[in-house]
Amino acid sequence: AQKVTQAQTEISVVEKEDVTLDCVYETRDTTYYLFWYKQPPSGELVFLIRRNSFDEQNEISGRYSWNFQKSTSSFNFTITASQVVDSAVYFCALSTGNQFYFGTGTSLTVIP
Amino acid sequence: SQTIHQWPATLVQPVGSPLSLECTVEGTSNPNLYWYRQAAGRGLQLLFYSVGIGQISSEVPQNLSASRPQDRQFILSSKKLLLSDSGFYLCAWSPETRGGKLFFGSGTQLSVL
Repeated sequence: AQKVTQAQTEISVVEKEDVTLDCVYETRDTTYYLFWYKQPPSGELVFLIRRNSFDEQNEISGRYSWNFQKSTSSFNFTITASQVVDSAVYFCALSTGNQFYFGTGTSLTVIP
Repeated sequence: SQTIHQWPATLVQPVGSPLSLECTVEGTSNPNLYWYRQAAGRGLQLLFYSVGIGQISSEVPQNLSASRPQDRQFILSSKKLLLSDSGFYLCAWSPETRGGKLFFGSGTQLSVL
């Protein structure tokens, strides 16, 4: 069975602090894809990143970075020097075949 | 470029009334299509997905149904709405190839009163 767990329900940080959002996944498939999406207050989900199961290289995009570790089945997301505009709900997702499995989301509030 | 349209943005319906939400995708062929529901503003629950015209897979038994009458059109329906059907409904599409990104529409906020 496929499953994504985001244990952090809500996180609050003060602006400019770093914050890491955790994501743990379960799958028996050897080929799979992992995603992070951002849902701002407007409601529409915005794609942030996709990784496939064969590529464990960490990735950095501006203030965002992702740490993929197959050994611990984790795909954590770090925001460096957080800003108020980062306030949103963040979803981690797993894809095998045609289906996407989402975690329950982490609500991040960045306090000015 | 590909775009996804979902409407209406908000909808208020009485209990027992019918429902029809429509979603269309432009700029791509044979997409995989999905309906998700987000209750209480949090987790995403997959309701239906479709890999082709007339092919619908249901993930959760309920009083909702979905249809795909055309390649890029996906419709979510109900004959009689329940209070528990209230929520934020999101349509999404992904390329038919494995590992493609999921692209979401802007969502419909449904309130059943």
